[in-house]
Amino acid sequence: EDKVVQSPLSLVVHEGDTVTLNCSYEVTNFRSLLWYKQEKKAPTFLFMLTSSGIEKKSGRLSSILDKKELFSILNITATQTGDSAIYLCAVQGGSEKLVFGKGTKLTVNP
Amino acid sequence: KAGVTQTPRYLIKTRGQQVTLSCSPISGHRSVSWYQQTPGQGLQFLFEYFSETQRNKGNFPGRFSGRQFSNSRSEMNVSTLELGDSALYLCASSQRTSLTGELFFGEGSRLTVL
Repeated sequence: EDKVVQSPLSLVVHEGDTVTLNCSYEVTNFRSLLWYKQEKKAPTFLFMLTSSGIEKKSGRLSSILDKKELFSILNITATQTGDSAIYLCAVQGGSEKLVFGKGTKLTVNP
Repeated sequence: KAGVTQTPRYLIKTRGQQVTLSCSPISGHRSVSWYQQTPGQGLQFLFEYFSETQRNKGNFPGRFSGRQFSNSRSEMNVSTLELGDSALYLCASSQRTSLTGELFFGEGSRLTVL
């Protein structure tokens, strides 16, 4: 059965800190790994990764995938209070279903 | 462009009742997926519809069902409600199938079963 494990489950930092969120997975016939941000209700799309070693970047957020070691990291530099949210990692394999991890709850204090 | 709209936003039911939730996707999107989110299990896939056909189904009992209409709007139904069905039900739409990855989520329907 496809599986996604995110760590840490919860993280509290101060504004300006850099954080790294982890996502490891087991999936049959890997297709893609996705990151979402969930602030209140609706998760919003951040990145989709399909190839190893290619960093995706959007402002202060970046993500990279390692298909050999079966994990991805999401980096956030110079964190702001607006980055406080649950960050969700999901993988899609041969079954075509998106399997989500339980998320990392990030709290950024001023 | 309007986003994904889910109704109702909140509802309270009692055990044994049934419930129907509605999802209107972004205009032009033909794929609608449903997810159940609980604190203990996270986001779990229920099913996906594309052009009125169920493409994929998660590991939920037969009490959970859905359908999609010709205008891409989708409904999901849960019959014989149980306490454990209390959750946030999220709907997501995409232009093609969920294989594209970029899903646009609605705000969800918060179901409480008493």
